[in-house]
Amino acid sequence: QSVLTQPPSASGTPGQRVTISCSGSRSNIGSKFVYWYQQLPGTAPKLLIYRNDQRPSGVPDRFSGSQSGTSASLAISGLRSEDEADYYCAAWDDSLSGRVFGGGTKLTVL
Amino acid sequence: EVQLVESGGGLVQPGGSLRLSCAASGFTFSDHYMDWVRQAPGKGLEWVGRTRDKANSYTTDYAASVRGRFTISRDDSKNSLFLHMNSLKTEDTAVYYCARDIDTGTHAPGYWGQGTLVTVSS
Repeated sequence: QSVLTQPPSASGTPGQRVTISCSGSRSNIGSKFVYWYQQLPGTAPKLLIYRNDQRPSGVPDRFSGSQSGTSASLAISGLRSEDEADYYCAAWDDSLSGRVFGGGTKLTVL
Repeated sequence: EVQLVESGGGLVQPGGSLRLSCAASGFTFSDHYMDWVRQAPGKGLEWVGRTRDKANSYTTDYAASVRGRFTISRDDSKNSLFLHMNSLKTEDTAVYYCARDIDTGTHAPGYWGQGTLVTVSS
């Protein structure tokens, strides 16, 4: 049972817009920045979004993040086949004095 | 270019010990926080712990699941990060990643190594 809650799966067709939610609490998302990672099959995670809504250089602007209260979302617009991957949210948790990850969402491009 | 290369994984019996290493290059190692994150086969990411930078006295934090059994250390003179694992359990079986923070003001993992597999089994 992960501290941050994500749906286990999501799907969409090419060109579509998909959102992945991440639910937490006041001790993590409610007071700390949210980060999103993409993990392609068989590879290490890659930073996708930092500080709730910032994109590292090289990440397409099709990816966007938002945060409100104790929840956060990752949106992917113009879905492409290469976006098929596992996506994880993460945040620091003040109560646990540690970093917490969501359980991950497997995105399938139909 | 930031590069992180883990090594030291392998097969170990329950109750045994293992030391993982992470060789860093392409940045000033002493200026950065470093994390260990693991991923059990077919499962999600789990944070293991982190060490702060020299300016913050290299203090460490650990996940409850490994506290008291695992120790993170670093050797800035060799640009190396270590994870000392004792009293290993079968549930510690995972790919272990080392990760550097995004930048000196944003301490979440931003750069990841390729991982090293640890298998705890008799």
